Amino acid sequence: EAGVVQSPRYKIIEKKQPVAFWCNPISGHNTLYWYLQNLGQGPELLIRYENEEAVDDSQLPKDRFSAERLKGVDSTLKIQPAELGDSAVYLCASSRTGTGLYEQYFGPGTRLTVT
Amino acid sequence: AQSVSQHNHHVILSEAASLELGCNYSYGGTVNLFWYVQYPGQHLQLLLKYFSGDPLVKGIKGFEAEFIKSKFSFNLRKPSVQWSDTAEYFCAVRPNRDDKIIFGKGTRLHILP
Repeated sequence: EAGVVQSPRYKIIEKKQPVAFWCNPISGHNTLYWYLQNLGQGPELLIRYENEEAVDDSQLPKDRFSAERLKGVDSTLKIQPAELGDSAVYLCASSRTGTGLYEQYFGPGTRLTVT
Repeated sequence: AQSVSQHNHHVILSEAASLELGCNYSYGGTVNLFWYVQYPGQHLQLLLKYFSGDPLVKGIKGFEAEFIKSKFSFNLRKPSVQWSDTAEYFCAVRPNRDDKIIFGKGTRLHILP
C-alpha cells in the first residue's frame, strides 16, 4: 500500500511570500492531520479533518494559515504571508476512522525555510 | 498544563547495551499511549502502542514498553540495542476523551558500533 505522499519535500521562500503544501493520504483513510514540527520538538497538531470537515483547527493560526480538503481526499495547507518563525517541518498524517486502532501514518514532511 | 515529558534528550550507547527511555505524562483518566520512531531520513512510524489490557506492550524490532498508571509513565525498553536503532524516539499520549495526540519533544538515540 502506498504511504502518505507530501510535496514539495523542501521549500525555501522569502518572508512575506505565500507557500502551499500538498498531502495525499493513504487510500481509504478518512482522517487527515497536519502537524508542525520545530527543530528539537515533537509534532504539534495544526488541523484535523474527518473527510472534508475540519473537526479540530484550534491550533491553526488562522490569520495566516489556511487549509482545505475539498473532496475529502487530498489536502492543501497554505501560509500567506510567511514569517521567519514559520521555518519548520510540516507533516501530514492519515488514519482510518472508527477502527479503534487509531494508528496514524506519517508522510515524509515538507521542510520549509523562510529567509 | 497537560504535557508529555521525555527526560532524556540525547542518549549515546554502545551496541549490546540495554536501553530505557523515560516518558511521563500529566493527564488524568484513561489514556492511549504510543512510541513513534524516526530513523534518519525516514518517516515517523509507530513502534508500539498501548490501549488497554496487559501493561507490558511488545513492539517491533525487540522494543517493549511498560505502562505504570500510578507513575503516569510509559517507558520504552530494549535489552540489547543495535547500531540500526540509531533514531529519534517520540512518546505520545492520547487522552481518551480527546482525539488529539500529544507528542513529547523526542529523544535522540545514537548507538556506537
